[in-house]
Amino acid sequence: KAGVTQTPRYLIKTRGQQVTLSCSPISGHRSVSWYQQTPGQGLQFLFEYFSETQRNKGNFPGRFSGRQFSNSRSEMNVSTLELGDSALYLCASSLGETFMREQYFGPGTRLTVT
Amino acid sequence: QQQVKQSPQSLIVQKGGISIINCAYENTAFDYFPWYQQFPGKGPALLIAIRPDVSEKKEGRFTISFNKSAKQFSLHIMDSQPGDSATYFCAASGTGFQKLVFGTGTRLLVSP
Repeated sequence: KAGVTQTPRYLIKTRGQQVTLSCSPISGHRSVSWYQQTPGQGLQFLFEYFSETQRNKGNFPGRFSGRQFSNSRSEMNVSTLELGDSALYLCASSLGETFMREQYFGPGTRLTVT
Repeated sequence: QQQVKQSPQSLIVQKGGISIINCAYENTAFDYFPWYQQFPGKGPALLIAIRPDVSEKKEGRFTISFNKSAKQFSLHIMDSQPGDSATYFCAASGTGFQKLVFGTGTRLLVSP
């Protein structure tokens, strides 16, 4: 079974621009979560989606948004990029209606903001 | 109260030795405690996980020890190998959380 895939793997953007990252979960998984990883803050939860509904949101500004499609694929968007948004953005998928804690991560998208 | 505290920040172990990483939590609503292994340029990979109804879980060379009263859990890597050199994260979750709360990570180096 293929793992979680994320595209693109690397991205360089300029301050003020916006960016969209994509995540395809493991086949059959219906929950998708997004995390931001930085050396200073570690792994921080962004949001979680199940059946196209956001079930939980982390403590990030409104510039960070996401959505999930009917095929469980998910996208996250960051608008008005800031230098501090440079990070590895990780997507994780899990199975089931109840939040199944067995999260399987993708390789991440490395975003650099200049 | 949602924090998970992890120590040490870094660890150097000789090949064949035992690597021990510790985590502590405050929120008693946590009831799922996984460990993740992350290699450079890769996403975290689920290694092993435990729930509070058991005090120990072993999978191969990896063992989680769990102390519910102390609200602590630890990862033991027996017979550590150079290929185990990676960053290890503990995490916690619980009913209604809909997310994982991660520790700050431990960078393990196993010297040959």
